[in-house]
Amino acid sequence: GAVVSQHPSRVICKSGTSVKIECRSLDFQATTMFWYRQFPKKSLMLMATSNEGSKATYEQGVEKDKFLINHASLTLSTLTVTSAHPEDSSFYICSASFATSGRAIHEQYFGPGTRLTVT
Amino acid sequence: DAKTTQPPSMDCAEGRAANLPCNHSTISGNEYVYWYRQIHSQGPQYIIHGLKNNETNEMASLIITEDRKSSTLILPHATLRDTAVYYCIVKEGATHGANSKLTFGKGITLSVRP
Repeated sequence: GAVVSQHPSRVICKSGTSVKIECRSLDFQATTMFWYRQFPKKSLMLMATSNEGSKATYEQGVEKDKFLINHASLTLSTLTVTSAHPEDSSFYICSASFATSGRAIHEQYFGPGTRLTVT
Repeated sequence: DAKTTQPPSMDCAEGRAANLPCNHSTISGNEYVYWYRQIHSQGPQYIIHGLKNNETNEMASLIITEDRKSSTLILPHATLRDTAVYYCIVKEGATHGANSKLTFGKGITLSVRP
């Protein structure tokens, strides 16, 4: 159980275009989803946190107008990289968690990641 | 969140136990210790977490010192597929209806050799 998928797994786009990455929780309802970015040989950096039906909370230094996050349903969140540039080339990873009554939620479930290359 | 300190790398022989240390000397009373791992070019995977008692699941054991200032993740019989970066993270446990974010450090690279 607790599977998270991402689509596409790899994408190459030209500079100046926009790219949308989907993150889906396949067998649970994700009340919270997170988006991370990872550059080669570096650790994961949190970009934003989104709760279903509300605006995402962005980490300091992350441009919210450039990285548009939508969490319109309990099973789907999307990250759109607008006007992509070569420096946006990275590994983008989402994670999801869910809340239940009466029990603290500890685990986050990660997607397999999306490799974005901007030429 | 309290910070953690891990050695950059270690290796172990296949079939042997891998003991991965983590220091978290500034951990506060309501913070848990979490372990995740990331196999190359994949998303991280949750392994285990604990507050103060030792914990064991099908993947690993977590030993937390009595003063909670350090912990050790134990993979009892390491295999080649356990080669990965292992992250020790300290954070508050989630509460009903919310989930706190994970802050990843550099982790420890475990290399399992044949």
